[in-house]
Amino acid sequence: RKEVEQDPGPFNVPEGATVAFNCTYSNSASQSFFWYRQDCRKEPKLLMSVYSSGNEDGRFTAQLNRASQYISLLIRDSKLSDSATYLCVVNLFTLTFGKGTMLLVSP
Amino acid sequence: DGGITQSPKYLFRKEGQNVTLSCEQNLNHDAMYWYRQDPGQGLRLIYYSQIVNDFQKGDIAEGYSVSREKKESFPLTVTSAQKNPTAFYLCASRPSMGEQFFGPGTRLTVL
Repeated sequence: RKEVEQDPGPFNVPEGATVAFNCTYSNSASQSFFWYRQDCRKEPKLLMSVYSSGNEDGRFTAQLNRASQYISLLIRDSKLSDSATYLCVVNLFTLTFGKGTMLLVSP
Repeated sequence: DGGITQSPKYLFRKEGQNVTLSCEQNLNHDAMYWYRQDPGQGLRLIYYSQIVNDFQKGDIAEGYSVSREKKESFPLTVTSAQKNPTAFYLCASRPSMGEQFFGPGTRLTVL
């Protein structure tokens, strides 16, 4: 089983839509979790950390289910500028990155 | 301005030549990392360093070497032993348990 698995997409959604990404991880000892965003041919940048109780940042909501070992990211009211690849990241001793889920938001 | 710099942004080398990629940070982070990203692939860890004068191999260290003589600097050498060196190379740094910050990356093309 891969350490961090994500659906590669692409997810094609219209502006204003709500879209959700899931990610599963294999190591139950993983300590912390993040979602990064990567624009085409750019470096990844932190979108948000994921806390056990779930957390929200504007239109973005992240949730963690330790029992099932999955992490989710919900984007509400999608904007054209949300088009990017979203990387699920899990920390044990070093960060392990998923391959990313591509989101394409169309007018 | 605090941050991570990588140079050059684009690098072209002939097959069989060693090449060194620069990474400098002024964030006062102890830990630094080198990743490689291929098209449509995730980031793969090459080497990392938790403290000056110490570093560990990541998942794909073969054909690469690093040094960490200063806290601010973590150069990566791509040697001729690396079979498929053309890729996007990303350097990152991180405080003890927080967010990892990335440099803008170097695109290496071996001709």
